[in-house]
Amino acid sequence: EAQVTQNPRYLITVTGKKLTVTCSQNMNHEYMSWYRQDPGLGLRQIYYSMNVEVTDKGDVPEGYKVSRKEKRNFPLILESPSPNQTSLYFCASSLGSGGVEQFFGPGTRLTVL
Amino acid sequence: GQNIDQPTEMTATEGAIVQINCTYQTSGFNGLFWYQQHAGEAPTFLSYNVLDGLEEKGRFSSFLSRSKGYSYLLLKELQMKDSASYLCAVRASLIKAAGNKLTFGGGTRVLVKP
Repeated sequence: EAQVTQNPRYLITVTGKKLTVTCSQNMNHEYMSWYRQDPGLGLRQIYYSMNVEVTDKGDVPEGYKVSRKEKRNFPLILESPSPNQTSLYFCASSLGSGGVEQFFGPGTRLTVL
Repeated sequence: GQNIDQPTEMTATEGAIVQINCTYQTSGFNGLFWYQQHAGEAPTFLSYNVLDGLEEKGRFSSFLSRSKGYSYLLLKELQMKDSASYLCAVRASLIKAAGNKLTFGGGTRVLVKP
């Protein structure tokens, strides 16, 4: 089954404790992206990747890191989480240029205390 | 900058029709998307418009006017399961390096009542 998976689905952590949210897709998509979703603000892009070893900042990259060592995986790293990073996070993937539909993962609800 | 506006909430009756409007002001335009998102779930793709006009897909239709920076999503024969948020998103960049970057509106929550 074609899908985007994220882990963990739910996480409660404390300020400053490094964490990684994993994202994996099995559709051989070039393009992958991370979004955060907050009430009233919609989905905002954090980072995106056009292909292996090619990443770039989205609209709200501060406090986040990403890597793309393999085509299928695109982990989101919070080196020192803070309470303002409490949010619902979605990973998405699509074909590269010209691809229409973005496929979203199930989401990760993160709470930073 | 990019600005995408859509109403926050709409209520409609089962079996009726609802139209969700979206206006956008972006530095470029390379397609407009509509996604459906049920509470606590991932967004799922509904429609894509890149040229002016109406795209119909079953009970859902989407319209685009590029000159007016305007789109709408039309939901016909509403069912209870259509209660969800509907997200309007614009792919603004024509630059290949930006890939499929989407800018989303805040979403419109549609409540379908019996």
